[in-house]
Amino acid sequence: GENVEQHPSTLSVQEGDSAVIKCTYSDSASNYFPWYKQELGKGPQLIIDIRSNVGEKKDQRIAVTLNKTAKHFSLHITETQPEDSAVYFCAALYSTLTFGKGTMLLVSP
Amino acid sequence: SQTIHQWPATLVQPVGSPLSLECTVEGTSNPNLYWYRQAAGRGLQLLFYSVGIGQISSEVPQNLSASRPQDRQFILSSKKLLLSDSGFYLCAYTGQGIMGELFFGEGSRLTVL
Repeated sequence: GENVEQHPSTLSVQEGDSAVIKCTYSDSASNYFPWYKQELGKGPQLIIDIRSNVGEKKDQRIAVTLNKTAKHFSLHITETQPEDSAVYFCAALYSTLTFGKGTMLLVSP
Repeated sequence: SQTIHQWPATLVQPVGSPLSLECTVEGTSNPNLYWYRQAAGRGLQLLFYSVGIGQISSEVPQNLSASRPQDRQFILSSKKLLLSDSGFYLCAYTGQGIMGELFFGEGSRLTVL
């Protein structure tokens, strides 16, 4: 089955800096790669996703890149703000979604 | 618009007691429904999924069961809770539209004492 590795497990940045979270997947047939943000005590929320027919997608301060040859995809957050602090999950879809183990992002004011 | 409701939000139960967590989806028909568990730490473990009424697939052997008595209702149950059943349980659905977009409920925090 699919295996998704996510790094780093914890990321601390200063407000205004950029943050990058990276994921790799094992099944080359996976074709959909969403990113979720989970705030404390809440359910994960879909923040951005990318399909295998594109290499990059951007939505305001967040962007996702996909390298299908290398089987990795990344989340980029620019101009980070304290409210970006949360746990972020990547996932890959083949038959069902397989999630990474999450990255705790801490943005210090 | 599509929404998902999950309850109760918090539950404290003694070992050996039964469990029932409920989830309902509004604004879509024939959704795929999912139960995930998030134990200490952050990983999301898929427990059950359902593609239709009465159709349940289990991803891991465990002390829990799931049922789908109606199209937009998904129930997670246990006859006798174990300490290891403690965790954060999340219901989720994929609705009509682009395949793969998974939407989560707000979660149910279960503590077994």
